[in-house]
This record gives sequence, structure tokens and C-alpha cells, in this order.
Amino acid sequence: GAVVSQHPSWVICKSGTSVKIECRSLDFQATTMFWYRQFPKQSLMLMATSNEGSKATYEQGVEKDKFLINHASLTLSTLTVTSAHPEDSSFYICSASGGNGINEQFFGPGTRLTVL
Amino acid sequence: AQSVTQLDSHVSVSEGTPVLLRCNYSSSYSPSLFWYVQHPNKGLQLLLKYTSAATLVKGINGFEAEFKKSETSFHLTKPSAHMSDAAEYFCVVSGRRDYKLSFGAGTTVTVRA
Repeated sequence: GAVVSQHPSWVICKSGTSVKIECRSLDFQATTMFWYRQFPKQSLMLMATSNEGSKATYEQGVEKDKFLINHASLTLSTLTVTSAHPEDSSFYICSASGGNGINEQFFGPGTRLTVL
Repeated sequence: AQSVTQLDSHVSVSEGTPVLLRCNYSSSYSPSLFWYVQHPNKGLQLLLKYTSAATLVKGINGFEAEFKKSETSFHLTKPSAHMSDAAEYFCVVSGRRDYKLSFGAGTTVTVRA
């Protein structure tokens, strides 16, 4: 159980375009979802926390207008990178928590974004 | 606030020998601690977690970790390394209220044949 999927697994786009990444909890209801960014050979950095039906909370230094997060249902959160630039190229990973008092996050497989 | 420090950025071992990955934590309350493994271009897999129960925690694939409050440590060990253990390992501490995870910098494990 506790499976989280991401789509797409990789994407290449042109500079200036927008890219949407989906994160789904397949077998549980995720009251909270988290979005992370990971640069090559580096650790994961939390970008934002989203709770179903409310606005996401962004970490300091993360541009909320550039990284749009929507958590419209208990099984789906989306991250849209708007007007992408080469410096946005990275590995984006989502995680989901069931919010049942157990502080464990279940991670998706990640999405590799390359902006040309 | 909580944080973790992974003391080794890279560990190289021979197949069949023990593996030790060191992690120290800092937390203003009793922490929840995790070890995750990440294979290249893959997501994270939970190896084990400590949540204030037994201080010696057994995980998957023969890994275990011991929570030592007096030393603020949560080191990960495996008695006999396998080639498939070559990966990146992250020590992680969780906030009690918001469940935010704070990641260590990671330790790259290479296994020599």
C-alpha cells in the first residue's frame, strides 16, 4: 500500500513554456502533499506544502507565482512550472501524507524536467 | 527547529563487508528519524524509521539503525554489503507538528566487487 505516482517521469520543454507535473496517491487519501526539488548530487529541498482544498504554503525563497501548486482532491496535487527557464531544470519529487497522526511521507518516483 | 548532519559524504566498502553510515540530529523535542535510499534517477524508498519506540530499529534489506539520545545519533548499519546497496542514502528528521522533513546532505555508497 501507500503508493504515490508522478506523471510524467521526464519532460523536455522549450524556455518560456509551462509544464505541469501530476502527483497522485493511488491507494490512500493524502490530506497533505509536499513538493521537493533536487539538483544533481544534492539533497532534497522542500519547495511547498499543500493541503487539500487550501492554498499551498511555500518555503522561503520559492516563487509562488512561478511554481503553481494545486491540491484539488485528496488524491491529486499538481505542480506547474510557469515560463520555465534552463535554471528550472531539476528533479522534482512529490510526497504524500495521510494525515492520520503518523508522520510518514510516501514519495513518488520523481519527474526529470529539462528546459532547453 | 530540527536538522540532521550526515558525517560522511561518500562511503566505499567491499562486497560482503559491513556498512556504517553516520547521522547526527538536532531537535528541540523527541524526534522522528528516518533513513531513505535513492537509486539513480529514482524516487526515495524508506529503509526504516524511529518514532520513540524501540531504540534499535530494523529495516528492509538487512539494514538497521540505533537511536542514541545521549549522542544525538541515528547511525545506519548493515552487516554485509551487497552490490545492490550502491545508492544515495539520506538521514531525515521530521517535525512533530507539521510533518515537514529535513534532509541530510546524503551519503553516496559505492560497493566494490
